[in-house]
Amino acid sequence: GAGVSQSPRYKVAKRGQDVALRCDPISGHVSLFWYQQALGQGPEFLTYFQNEAQLDKSGLPSDRFFAERPEGSVSTLKIQRTQQEDSAVYLCASSPQITYEQYFGPGTRLTVT
Amino acid sequence: AQSVTQPDIHITVSEGASLELRCNYSYGATPYLFWYVQSPGQGLQLLLKYFSGDTLVQGIKGFEAEFKRSQSSFNLRKPSMHWSDAAEYFCAVGATGLDSNSGYALNFGKGTSLLVTP
Repeated sequence: GAGVSQSPRYKVAKRGQDVALRCDPISGHVSLFWYQQALGQGPEFLTYFQNEAQLDKSGLPSDRFFAERPEGSVSTLKIQRTQQEDSAVYLCASSPQITYEQYFGPGTRLTVT
Repeated sequence: AQSVTQPDIHITVSEGASLELRCNYSYGATPYLFWYVQSPGQGLQLLLKYFSGDTLVQGIKGFEAEFKRSQSSFNLRKPSMHWSDAAEYFCAVGATGLDSNSGYALNFGKGTSLLVTP
């Protein structure tokens, strides 16, 4: 079946622009995670949804980062007033239950110039 | 706080040679342990996981890993490497029961970049 999809795959933004990154999880998956992967680093947790509820946003680096999942399916990660340090690959993962078995999407590579 | 250490940043092996990638974790309770592989431009693919039971776990693509509690390690092994195994490998740990809102987020190491030469 279809896996986790993310769009766009690549995004170039000028410093100060707002961006929106989309994640389509596997159908029926309850849990959804966003991770940030800087160049040469491992993914770092940003935020977690259980259905439409955002239960943990402790990893969001600043109040410029905002995520939503209004209908418990598709999720959007929004970054306002992008900065160069926001340049990274943003990974989305989903899981059928409240479990560690997460399925990752291909990521969105964000470059802020 | 829990942490994951992958001591080797880059490793080069010859095709057909064996491989062992090291992973050490720091966590007070029994962690849930994972190895993921990431090829260029691809998402993370789960190779194997350890939750409990037999400390030697088998995964996909001929990989295995052994959980050693006394050494706080979860090293990944494969007896014979193929050129297609060249990729970035990540060890990850998860903690349970601490906070029902944590959603079982994973804590990743920084990764080991593997090159396989002919």
